[in-house]
Amino acid sequence: GENVEQHPSTLSVQEGDSAVIKCTYSDSASNYFPWYKQELGKGPQLIIDIRSNVGEKKDQRIAVTLNKTAKHFSLHITETQPEDSAVYFCAATLNDYKLSFGAGTTVTVRA
Amino acid sequence: NAGVTQTPKFQVLKTGQSMTLQCAQDMNHNSMYWYRQDPGMGLRLIYYSASEGTTDKGEVPNGYNVSRLNKREFSLRLESAAPSQTSVYFCASSDSLDEQYFGPGTRLTVT
Repeated sequence: GENVEQHPSTLSVQEGDSAVIKCTYSDSASNYFPWYKQELGKGPQLIIDIRSNVGEKKDQRIAVTLNKTAKHFSLHITETQPEDSAVYFCAATLNDYKLSFGAGTTVTVRA
Repeated sequence: NAGVTQTPKFQVLKTGQSMTLQCAQDMNHNSMYWYRQDPGMGLRLIYYSASEGTTDKGEVPNGYNVSRLNKREFSLRLESAAPSQTSVYFCASSDSLDEQYFGPGTRLTVT
């Protein structure tokens, strides 16, 4: 099955700086790559996703890039704010129902 | 519109006891999922139901059973709980192979 690795496991940034989280996947057939944000005590919530026919996607302060050749994708958060503090998960799937998640990155935004 | 609801929120079981975790969604989604979340391991798929009347194993199905009671409800049963099943359990639903909507989770402790 698909194996997703996520780095770093923790990330501390100064408010206003950028944060980058990187993920690699093992199965070159994977074609859907969502990112979820989980706040304390809540379930994960989708923040952005990308498909394999697209190299980059932006939504306000967040962006995701995909490199199919290298089998890695990244989440970029610009102008970080305190409300960006959360756990972020990347995931990958071969266009079926089985999402494979990374281990998560705990992001802390320092005021 | 409550989205995905789960009951109970917390549960403590003794080894060998059984229990059923309940999940319901009011978004008319076809697909439903059960995940477990353990520290440092992200979310792992236990079972999923692509549509009413079907269920399939995910990555970690051993020790669990599921029932898709109708389009709205998907339950997870632990027949004989073990300490290794101490975890946070999330139910999710989706209308297609895209965004999954997660419930608030059930925190289960098996002693």
